[in-house]
Amino acid sequence: AQRVTQPEKLLSVFKGAPVELKCNYSYSGSPELFWYVQYSRQRLQLLLRHISRESIKGFTADLNKGETSFHLKKPFAQEEDSAMYYCALSAGGSGGYQKVTFGIGTKLQVIP
Amino acid sequence: GAVVSQHPSWVICKSGTSVKIECRSLDFQATTMFWYRQFPKQSLMLMATSNEGSKATYEQGVEKDKFLINHASLTLSTLTVTSAHPEDSSFYICSATSGRGGTQYFGPGTRLLVL
Repeated sequence: AQRVTQPEKLLSVFKGAPVELKCNYSYSGSPELFWYVQYSRQRLQLLLRHISRESIKGFTADLNKGETSFHLKKPFAQEEDSAMYYCALSAGGSGGYQKVTFGIGTKLQVIP
Repeated sequence: GAVVSQHPSWVICKSGTSVKIECRSLDFQATTMFWYRQFPKQSLMLMATSNEGSKATYEQGVEKDKFLINHASLTLSTLTVTSAHPEDSSFYICSATSGRGGTQYFGPGTRLLVL
């Protein structure tokens, strides 16, 4: 079974401080990991995915297979980063379809 | 690009009626569409995965006769909540992807209120 754990429901940081949103997963194979973000009154949208190894809006996330983690990091938080962040895992389910599991989400609050 | 729309954006209905929600990929062909349900202040709960032209795969605990999903074309999937009851009131979100393991593009969601 695949599982995604985001241990913090709420993370408050001051503007300019580093941010780390934690995500741990459990899956026996090789999953794809994603971070999705939902800004206030907007739809969910992709922030980044591990295979692209990009830095989006200053955020990065490294897949650590040994620790089964995919933490989201940003060195200097900005007020516009305040949003709900979801970690998600995508892997092949039974019958050949793609199964996606979302974490419970972490609300990031950047204090001015 | 990669826009997903949902219609209606909100709906109020009487208990016992059926409600159909449409999910469309506007500028790409969606081989797979997902339906989620989100309760207030909670995460998304995957209800089912549908591939164009085949039956939807429902998650454990989701009644397939209650939540009918049709994915008749590469740009349209529908979710019908049959004989809706107040406990079905929720925020329903669809997403679409154009390939296996691909990025999901989310619709804006449909808020359903059953009186």
